[in-house]
Amino acid sequence: DTAVSQTPKYLVTQMGNDKSIKCEQNLGHDTMYWYKQDSKKFLKIMFSYNNKELIINETVPNRFSPKSPDKAHLNLHINSLELGDSAVYFCASSQGRSGSGELFFGEGSRLTVL
Amino acid sequence: AQSVTQPDIHITVSEGASLELRCNYSYGATPYLFWYVQSPGQGLQLLLKYFSGDTLVQGIKGFEAEFKRSQSSFNLRKPSVHWSDAAEYFCAVGLSGTYKYIFGTGTRLKVLA
Repeated sequence: DTAVSQTPKYLVTQMGNDKSIKCEQNLGHDTMYWYKQDSKKFLKIMFSYNNKELIINETVPNRFSPKSPDKAHLNLHINSLELGDSAVYFCASSQGRSGSGELFFGEGSRLTVL
Repeated sequence: AQSVTQPDIHITVSEGASLELRCNYSYGATPYLFWYVQSPGQGLQLLLKYFSGDTLVQGIKGFEAEFKRSQSSFNLRKPSVHWSDAAEYFCAVGLSGTYKYIFGTGTRLKVLA
């Protein structure tokens, strides 16, 4: 039973389109994250939600809109896709606030914008 | 500003050889330190973590890491590398009292048969 699952695993789309990635965790964690991994493998935090409340919103274009319908789900919608949005997007979850909780990652969603 | 540095972008070792991956961090408070491994096409998996206490921590898959406060380092070691250890390795710092984690840029490990 997958702890953190993301769908879809692959997306290929044209510039200007809108796409969504869904994430679900069955670990009972209260905090979920979206990370972007670029072609050089650098991992950058985008957003974090704690109990459905947005708590981290890094300098991400407002074309990216996260949504957390409940604490087990965190979705990412991207409008007007650009070439530079091509990356692997990872969802993760953790428990607790202290920065000491282990992050559990999904397998990633590879987005290719043509 | 907080940061994590992994000086080695690529490391190649022969199977059976020992391994050390370097990690240095910059953080004013007591850090929570992590090592994660990412196999191709996969998400990141925790290898080990340090919060406090014994500065030598043991992890999964035969890995260990040593926290050295004076050097702001948390290097990952394995006495004998297996071909299946080939992967990308990330060091990370958890910022205490926050939800933030800062990752290093990763070290890609290649293992020669």
